[in-house]
Amino acid sequence: QVHLVESGGGLVQPGRSLRLSCEVSGFSFSAYSMHWVRQCPGKGLEWVAAISHDGSNKFHADSVKGRFTISRDNSKKTLFLQMNSLRAEDTAIYYCARDGGIDGYDWYFDYWGQGNLVTVSS
Amino acid sequence: EVVLTQSPATLSLSPGERATLSCRASQSVSSYLAWYQQKPGQAPRLLIYAASNRATGIPARFSGSGSGTDFTLTINSLEPEDFAVYYCQQRTNWPPEVTFGPGTKVDIK
Repeated sequence: QVHLVESGGGLVQPGRSLRLSCEVSGFSFSAYSMHWVRQCPGKGLEWVAAISHDGSNKFHADSVKGRFTISRDNSKKTLFLQMNSLRAEDTAIYYCARDGGIDGYDWYFDYWGQGNLVTVSS
Repeated sequence: EVVLTQSPATLSLSPGERATLSCRASQSVSSYLAWYQQKPGQAPRLLIYAASNRATGIPARFSGSGSGTDFTLTINSLEPEDFAVYYCQQRTNWPPEVTFGPGTKVDIK
């Protein structure tokens, strides 16, 4: 059974940093591209970042480019999101999600974690 | 940026009725469109990908259609567990860009 479990969220002051983790099980992690998607409280969904199955290429949304970095450790079956220079508008539930394709990108999300709340406030 | 517009914003129906949800793209996205269901306090669940393919484990009452700029999600004979918010999502090739629609809430009439 596929499981994705996020951790690392919480309350952080504006301008500070936070690193989210997503530990997976139940599938061959190293074969799949992965994504982060966020949802501001009571709002819609926003794609944040993507990383290829082997970590060789990464993409970030314009809204987080230069501040957030996606990465992965295939030996530990874990996905990361390093978030720097956090702003109030980054307050959201952050979901990790598996790409629907194998060894590439299909750019839809077939399995999701339960979500992790990040609150940026002084 | 490709903008997705969903209509209606809210759809009030009774169990057993058919739901027809619309998603319109500001420019052609070919068949690169997916649909998700989200219930309160839960992560989204993939229903349809590539416009018309049901995801694993999704009941046959869910179907997707369309291409280019106009897409439809149809739910035949609504079950109590189908009352939720539904999002469409597209992706463009290069540079890679993913956007979601604002959602359609299907609630009980």
